[in-house]
Amino acid sequence: DIQMTQSPSTLSASVGDRVTITCRASQSISNWLAWYQQKPGKAPKLLIYKASSLESGVPSRFSGSGSGTEFTLTISSLQPEDFATYYCQQYNSDSRTFGQGTKLEIK
Amino acid sequence: QVQVQESGPGLVKPSETLSLTCTVSGGSISTYYWSWIRQPPGKGLEWIAFIYYSGTNYNPSLNSRVTISVDTSKNQVSLKLRSVTAADTAVYYCARDSEMAFDYWGQGTLVTVSS
Repeated sequence: DIQMTQSPSTLSASVGDRVTITCRASQSISNWLAWYQQKPGKAPKLLIYKASSLESGVPSRFSGSGSGTEFTLTISSLQPEDFATYYCQQYNSDSRTFGQGTKLEIK
Repeated sequence: QVQVQESGPGLVKPSETLSLTCTVSGGSISTYYWSWIRQPPGKGLEWIAFIYYSGTNYNPSLNSRVTISVDTSKNQVSLKLRSVTAADTAVYYCARDSEMAFDYWGQGTLVTVSS
């Protein structure tokens, strides 16, 4: 099975900050990686697919990069509505796996 | 616009079978993969299984207890999880699996395993 490891688990930041979340795969997944945002009591929302493609309607302050085993999600200037939990997720022909999540908190 | 809605009992007794249904509107269910995903209270997301036109795949950690099926006439995807324990208490989500990401999600349904 492909394991996904996110870091950090918790991140404290302020409005206007630039933040980066890292996701590592236990083996190469090419660019088959997605990022989601989840707020309490809500379903996850797709932000990024194929490592760097922005889902329609998602603000351009969100960006993704990486390939192989290391990936990043960057928020260029945090807005109040961005404080949430973020998950990465790999997909291949046989399975899908999520990272454990990164909780983005207000400093 | 695709809409996804999960339904099923909110309470299941230990050792029994959890059965959930996902009803899809706004698009044909047969042209996409569909997945079930769960989230225990206060914890992360766990993919359970997906189904597509020619087959299914399951999370190896749940494989022996899970069955996913589809009813194209009703535009529904179903999940059965056998021999449940308290560890299966979670919010269960149905999501469209575009083979690149889960792009449409239901709102989720909380299933509690308790006697």
